[in-house]
Amino acid sequence: QVTLKESGPVLVKPTETLTLTCTVSGFSLSNARMGVSWIRQPPGKALEWLAHIFSNDEKSYSTSLKSRLTISKDTSKSQVVLTMTNMDPVDTATYYCAHLSLAYCGGDCWAFDYWGQGTLVTVSS
Amino acid sequence: SSELTQDPAVSVALGQTVRITCQGDSLRSYYASWYQQKPGQAPVLVIYGKNNRPSGIPDRFSGSSSGNTTSLTITGAQAEDEADYYCNSRDSSGNHLVFGGGTKLTVL
Repeated sequence: QVTLKESGPVLVKPTETLTLTCTVSGFSLSNARMGVSWIRQPPGKALEWLAHIFSNDEKSYSTSLKSRLTISKDTSKSQVVLTMTNMDPVDTATYYCAHLSLAYCGGDCWAFDYWGQGTLVTVSS
Repeated sequence: SSELTQDPAVSVALGQTVRITCQGDSLRSYYASWYQQKPGQAPVLVIYGKNNRPSGIPDRFSGSSSGNTTSLTITGAQAEDEADYYCNSRDSSGNHLVFGGGTKLTVL
């Protein structure tokens, strides 16, 4: 059974750095043809992809947020960590981690087939 | 281009068929996936690739694509299908992912 669970602070102050952890079970972060992504959703707004990391440690970041984001993984702990610097009230959102499968359609389809429950992060002084 | 465009809202009468569309240049090169999100819940994958449903997704959900447009069709919409629907795909570079702005589906 694949599960992902986000953890981190509920409240951060403007200019602080946010650190979120995604703890996974039911699969290994070293499995081929998969990755873990971070996705956020401000209240009442659309989903926004932030970053992903693949099993070979290849990483990719949203172009608009690249300068503020760092994604990493600890395979032995089954954890993926996202840090976002210089937090602002507009970064208030529910942050999700999701399992990104690259195995569908012979590798031609990428899909988020498992999601965490999400964690709401509020940025306020 | 890194944008995927969706109509903000669509409505359908109970039992009728509705199509939700997603447009973007990258869709000429990459398949999309579709997600259903109900209030207070995480998104759920409903369609991936050309027209593939994960286990447990009813067969009234189907997908199609043509040119720069991908579509999610619900044939015989049910009250429980009322939700927000998001498309997702890679951008034109192939290295980043992008979501559409979402479509709020109302079942009348």
